[in-house]
Amino acid sequence: DTAVSQTPKYLVTQMGNDKSIKCEQNLGHDTMYWYKQDSKKFLKIMFSYNNKELIINETVPNRFSPKSPDKAHLNLHINSLELGDSAVYFCASSQGSEGYTFGSGTRLTVV
Amino acid sequence: GENVEQHPSTLSVQEGDSAVIKCTYSDSASNYFPWYKQELGKGPQLIIDIRSNVGEKKDQRIAVTLNKTAKHFSLHITETQPEDSAVYFCAASKGGYQKVTFGIGTKLQVIP
Repeated sequence: DTAVSQTPKYLVTQMGNDKSIKCEQNLGHDTMYWYKQDSKKFLKIMFSYNNKELIINETVPNRFSPKSPDKAHLNLHINSLELGDSAVYFCASSQGSEGYTFGSGTRLTVV
Repeated sequence: GENVEQHPSTLSVQEGDSAVIKCTYSDSASNYFPWYKQELGKGPQLIIDIRSNVGEKKDQRIAVTLNKTAKHFSLHITETQPEDSAVYFCAASKGGYQKVTFGIGTKLQVIP
């Protein structure tokens, strides 16, 4: 199946821990994104990579660090997790100016 | 930066009726306007999009209209069905690799 796959689907962790979310797309797209969706469903961009290069970096705490080993993968590492980091994180990809294909999301709960 | 306003935030319609969701944008340089449907527990899915050189686009029961002068665009769903129940997001961007700004979403409920 052609898709954007992200793992894990659910992540429950304690404050202060470090965690990673992985994302892979097999659509051949050249651009990948991380979005955060809060409890009110608002979608806010965090990062965007084009062919492994960072092109969008919104006002996100330094505790969040994206890594793109190749254009098919974009991982998100979060250090020193806080309660306010609890949200659903979506990976997405696109080709040029076409619309996004989103993954199914990772629900992060910090306790 | 771009600001996208979307309304209503919730919308209930009877099955078979039409539903209309409206959005406005602030940046006149925006030229690409996608619409996404998000079902419970899933990621948003692109359902239709329109570019600034087109005033209207249809795909079966779904249509989108764009008024560049007023900076308005709207999603129209005709003959609604229960499976149309979801959260719908409008968005705007300047195209290319520019940031896409999303509206706050509209929760549509189609009552059988």
